[in-house]
Amino acid sequence: AQKITQTQPGMFVQEKEAVTLDCTYDTSDQSYGLFWYKQPSSGEMIFLIYQGSYDEQNATEGRYSLNFQKARKSANLVISASQLGDSAMYFCAMREPDSNYQLIWGAGTKLIIKP
Amino acid sequence: DVKVTQSSRYLVKRTGEKVFLECVQDMDHENMFWYRQDPGLGLRLIYFSYDVKMKEKGDIPEGYSVSREKKERFSLILESASTNQTSMYLCASSPSGGPVGDTQYFGPGTRLTVL
Repeated sequence: AQKITQTQPGMFVQEKEAVTLDCTYDTSDQSYGLFWYKQPSSGEMIFLIYQGSYDEQNATEGRYSLNFQKARKSANLVISASQLGDSAMYFCAMREPDSNYQLIWGAGTKLIIKP
Repeated sequence: DVKVTQSSRYLVKRTGEKVFLECVQDMDHENMFWYRQDPGLGLRLIYFSYDVKMKEKGDIPEGYSVSREKKERFSLILESASTNQTSMYLCASSPSGGPVGDTQYFGPGTRLTVL
């Protein structure tokens, strides 16, 4: 069974609009971490934001915020005021406590910002 | 800032050649990882290392080996390159524990083509 599910293979969004990228996860652990990464066409994987399972507040980093709904096991990435440079692949990932530092990756969402 | 560098951005090799991909990180991280990324298959872990001279197989170790003689350097070796090893190779490093849940930081990637 998929542990990380990103249901949107691709999205088009108008510049300056907000965008939500979906991520649902499956774990029986109480302690886990959730990550979002951005991969532009250049190929480098860029860390965006992290949410710990015990964090009471949603994580925010500049224009990025993580809408963490623990009961629903969802960790959606919200990008406010999208820019052309936000066009990229976006990956959600999870770390479980007994995973030997490994991350479990989603399949990614390709986001294209239209001018 | 964490810096992870990879020896080449693009590499073209012939079938049967021995290929070395080098990765260096400058943040004294304990953990280092090698992934390959293929369209439709996402990121797949080849090997990782949690300490000098220590290595663990990931999901797809066949056809690869690794070496970690120094903490900052993690090498991926293709003993006899084959065309099905044409891919994007990503190196990452992470600390052990910490406030951001062992965030993995990635290098720019190496696009390897085996002819």
